[in-house]
Amino acid sequence: GAGVSQSPSNKVTEKGKDVELRCDPISGHTALYWYRQSLGQGLEFLIYFQGNSAPDKSGLPSDRFSAERTGGSVSTLTIQRTQQEDSAVYLCASSGPGATLGPNEQFFGPGTRLTVL
Amino acid sequence: KNEVEQSPQNLTAQEGEFITINCSYSVGISALHWLQQHPGGGIVSLFMLSSGKKKHGRLIATINIQEKHSSLHITASHPRDSAVYICAVKETSGSRLTFGEGTQLTVNP
Repeated sequence: GAGVSQSPSNKVTEKGKDVELRCDPISGHTALYWYRQSLGQGLEFLIYFQGNSAPDKSGLPSDRFSAERTGGSVSTLTIQRTQQEDSAVYLCASSGPGATLGPNEQFFGPGTRLTVL
Repeated sequence: KNEVEQSPQNLTAQEGEFITINCSYSVGISALHWLQQHPGGGIVSLFMLSSGKKKHGRLIATINIQEKHSSLHITASHPRDSAVYICAVKETSGSRLTFGEGTQLTVNP
């Protein structure tokens, strides 16, 4: 597809379980971002991948959170031993050449709504 | 104090009114983004700017680097403009975006 896609769109899990959230960026985009939006809160940066460089993990809230980007394309955000406070919408964005606003314009996916019971 | 602050938090206007949303930040930045989030949750980028003023249709964004302030203006507002408008800054050092908490705009017919 032409846009950023994320799966699943909704995920309900029990406290203590692990979850994996997937992001397919726009083809050719070298930068990929993960953000979190808790209910009633603003967007929060989690992690940033740029090409083959080491990712910027400075926004990950705890060591239960990790992310990888395989082959410079698809990314997976993993949350281990989920807690209720992890409930949020997890958004992925990508950026790259050819965007109207410039190479740093971020295109957002629809998000994954995670609910931890 | 948040690094990025927006005002107002909520704004209700009548169709046709001129809208201004403000964003102030406290860090050195390389760019400022204005984003729009619709009720369904989808986010789109409206503007990226590092100086001056940009215009797209009825939307105008300005930034004053010395004052660390940006404004988003909507002329001839319409109910379809109802959304959350989010200001985000890319700090000079690092790659992350830091977000304001958003302004909920409701335009009534």
